[in-house]
Amino acid sequence: DGGITQSPKYLFRKEGQNVTLSCEQNLNHDAMYWYRQDPGQGLRLIYYSQIVNDFQKGDIAEGYSVSREKKESFPLTVTSAQKNPTAFYLCASSRSFRTGRQETQYFGPGTRLLVL
Amino acid sequence: AQKVTQAQTEISVVEKEDVTLDCVYETRDTTYYLFWYKQPPSGELVFLIRRNSFDEQNEISGRYSWNFQKSTSSFNFTITASQVVDSAVYFCALSEAIANYGQNFVFGPGTRLSVLP
Repeated sequence: DGGITQSPKYLFRKEGQNVTLSCEQNLNHDAMYWYRQDPGQGLRLIYYSQIVNDFQKGDIAEGYSVSREKKESFPLTVTSAQKNPTAFYLCASSRSFRTGRQETQYFGPGTRLLVL
Repeated sequence: AQKVTQAQTEISVVEKEDVTLDCVYETRDTTYYLFWYKQPPSGELVFLIRRNSFDEQNEISGRYSWNFQKSTSSFNFTITASQVVDSAVYFCALSEAIANYGQNFVFGPGTRLSVLP
């Protein structure tokens, strides 16, 4: 079954701690994305990556970092600099848009991050 | 700058009623794509439909139908004979191309639909 997996489902962070959210896809998609969703709100883009070893900041990148060492994986680290990290984090992927086509984004099940 | 408005924050209907979710968008581009996603209580966004700016034909898929009107910049979504399982938050999204960086995907704030038995 092709799809996107995110782990863990729930994550608890202590003050001053960095935590990493996992996102893996086996859809052979080139592009991957991280979004943040606050209660009752829409989605805001944190980072995106078009291809391995390349990524770009989205609208709310401060306090977050990413890496893209493998095509299948796009982990997101929430650093201690992110003062209000409590939210629902969604990972998505799509086929490459370098050809000029605008591709559909497919989403994982999400990770809910809570601050202790 | 592109923008997506979903003016209905929450809608409640009784099962078997028809319901229309509104989506109005703003863009300067002539080439763009519009999407609808469903977010059930589990949280995962489920893709429903994609429509490009050159295709204004309405589409029907089972109980779902979409009405795209460029003249009013709207892409409305209708559920016919609603069911309790349709209860979810529905997001409209707009995508347009950005030179060298791919696509810019903007989501509306979502409409929470509650279908009561």
